[in-house]
Amino acid sequence: DTEVTQTPKHLVMGMTNKKSLKCEQHMGHRAMYWYKQKAKKPPELMFVYSYEKLSINESVPSRFSPECPNSSLLNLHLHALQPEDSALYLCASSQDGQGSGYTFGSGTRLTVV
Amino acid sequence: SQQGEEDPQALSIQEGENATMNCSYKTSINNLQWYRQNSGRGLVHLILIRSNEREKHSGRLRVTLDTSKKSSSLLITASRAADTASYFCATANTNAGKSTFGDGTTLTVKP
Repeated sequence: DTEVTQTPKHLVMGMTNKKSLKCEQHMGHRAMYWYKQKAKKPPELMFVYSYEKLSINESVPSRFSPECPNSSLLNLHLHALQPEDSALYLCASSQDGQGSGYTFGSGTRLTVV
Repeated sequence: SQQGEEDPQALSIQEGENATMNCSYKTSINNLQWYRQNSGRGLVHLILIRSNEREKHSGRLRVTLDTSKKSSSLLITASRAADTASYFCATANTNAGKSTFGDGTTLTVKP
């Protein structure tokens, strides 16, 4: 299995809702990432988990809460989001978090209304 | 400005022509990676070149790296309509534990 699977593919949520994005990989990769991408812009790093521990938080607002239940799973919990948080959320994994190249999922297209 | 700046921002060519994209960066790196992204999809890893390498090939792709100029180029030869996508470079610094993406080049290949 050489894929990163993200669910759901599309999500529409209100500003008072709580929702979660899910990401799964079975490549034995030990680093997992959340990126946010706005239209016509590069991906922006949000969080890095290395060996199931949060190693980088790029000053992301607390309305985004990451979780790594085990080495194969990564969640992003969403609460009280703003319309400007609408974007494509990408999950990625890499072998060891040492810049060895990422495998990306197809993303979740999030719309906040 | 952001590590990993690319030019041109947009490139439009005819099928069969070659496409060249450039990436410049500011700090020292361990490697540089190129990715392709089709509209609204995830990024696909194309090729990784290490800081001690000068050139690398993969199929119709040729990547060069000049660490003295802090720049890299991606050449796609004999382009096809299916190559239409955005292309991003990403620079990896092991000490930072992350890679930083450039602004990307949007390539359109006309049939």
